[in-house]
Amino acid sequence: GEDVEQSLFLSVREGDSSVINCTYTDSSSTYLYWYKQEPGAGLQLLTYIFSNMDMKQDQRLTVLLNKKDKHLSLRIADTQTGDSAIYFCAESIASGGSYIPTFGRGTSLIVHP
Amino acid sequence: ETGVTQSPTHLIKTRGQQVTLRCSSQSGHNTVSWYQQALGQGPQFIFQYYREEENGRGNFPPRFSGLQFPNYSSELNVNALELDDSALYLCASSWGGRGEDTEAFFGQGTRLTVV
Repeated sequence: GEDVEQSLFLSVREGDSSVINCTYTDSSSTYLYWYKQEPGAGLQLLTYIFSNMDMKQDQRLTVLLNKKDKHLSLRIADTQTGDSAIYFCAESIASGGSYIPTFGRGTSLIVHP
Repeated sequence: ETGVTQSPTHLIKTRGQQVTLRCSSQSGHNTVSWYQQALGQGPQFIFQYYREEENGRGNFPPRFSGLQFPNYSSELNVNALELDDSALYLCASSWGGRGEDTEAFFGQGTRLTVV
C-alpha cells in the first residue's frame, strides 16, 4: 500500500477554510512537507514541519502534526480561487543512509467563487 | 524561485530512443534526487546522488541511470524509451549529506512524451 495517504479531492467556497489531511508511516521522518502543484507546473514547497513540533503557522497556512497517530494536516485560512491546485503531503523515509521524500497521490483542492 | 532549474521543459521522443534530462542545483547542495510523476499520480522516487555517487534507488529498471557533476549539475538518462515513460520528471536538491534529512527544493520539471 501507499506509504503516504491523502484524500483525492476537496471542494470549498472562496473565503472558507480548507483542511487537507494526510497519514504517513515512517516515525523516523525528520521533515514532513506540504507541496503545491498548479496545472502543468513543478512542485512548490509550501511549508514543512520538523517532527519534534506539533504545530507550525505561516500566514494563512497552519500545519498540525499528530505523531502518535502519524497524521498531518494543512489548514488554509480564507481560501482563495488562486489556491486551487493539487497539494502533496510528503515524508522523508530513511533508506540506506539517505532520506527520501516520499509523496502521497495528492489532494485536488477546488475553490468555488 | 527554488534555485533549481531543469532543461528542457518539454521533450518528445520516439519509443526505443534514448533521452538525457538535465538539472542544475543550488550551489552547495550536494544531494540531488530524481522523480517521475505520471499523470494523476504523486512523484515516484527514481534515485538519489550524493557527491557524484548513487545514494539510494527506487523501483526503476537499470535503463534509468544518472550522473552528478561537481558543479552541482546532474543528468537523468533513460535508454530504450517506452510509452509508459511519458511523465513529468522532477529533480530536487538539498544540502544534506548521507544520513541527514534536510529540506528538498524542486525544479519545475521536464515533460517527456514518448510516441
